[in-house]
Amino acid sequence: EVQLVESGGGLGQPGGSLRLSCAASGFTFSSYSMKWVRQAPGKGLEWVSYISSSSSTIYYVDSVKGRFTISRDNAKNSLYLQMNSLRAEDTAVYYCARDRLGSLWGQGTLVTVSS
Amino acid sequence: DVVMTQSPLSLPVTLGQPASISCRSSQSLVHSDGNTYLNWFQQRPGQSPRRLIYKVSNRDSGVPDRFSGSGSGTDFTLKISRVEAEDVGVYYCMQATHWPPATFGQGTRLEIK
Repeated sequence: EVQLVESGGGLGQPGGSLRLSCAASGFTFSSYSMKWVRQAPGKGLEWVSYISSSSSTIYYVDSVKGRFTISRDNAKNSLYLQMNSLRAEDTAVYYCARDRLGSLWGQGTLVTVSS
Repeated sequence: DVVMTQSPLSLPVTLGQPASISCRSSQSLVHSDGNTYLNWFQQRPGQSPRRLIYKVSNRDSGVPDRFSGSGSGTDFTLKISRVEAEDVGVYYCMQATHWPPATFGQGTRLEIK
């Protein structure tokens, strides 16, 4: 089955860190760019970060630059988001999605930043 | 950043009736490669988003043919020919022409009247 499964969400302290993972299956992960998109509670969708298939090109939304790091391991069919210096406004469901046009999405993982 | 503006934000529709959602961009979405990277997503209650339409008018696999996309430049439309109960949810347009960042519309909530 073609799918993406996120994990690693939970409660994070302001100023703390969390690492999200996204496991891909059912397709050739190494052939696709990937991205993270988040959705704050009751709000719309916000693009967060992008990584090309070879990791040669990486982009971030301004609000997370210098705090979040996207990476991937094609041998493990996995995508990651290292989230440092967490803020309350980072509270959201984080989705991983396949390619620039979002052809496939995971079920999401909830990140709550609170003391 | 390109601003995407959807209307209406709330759309009550009677079962079996048509529905239409508008999405306007703050600048033309025609890419230098000739493509227009305007996509539509559906998010059913409690679920993750699912892409319905890519590059303005191309329906994704498994998407019912009652969904159609059209438009050009800065003005785009998602139409549902006959609304069914399973169509309830929030619909988002997204542009990936002028990026980063890719930007989404605010979302349109479709409900059954």
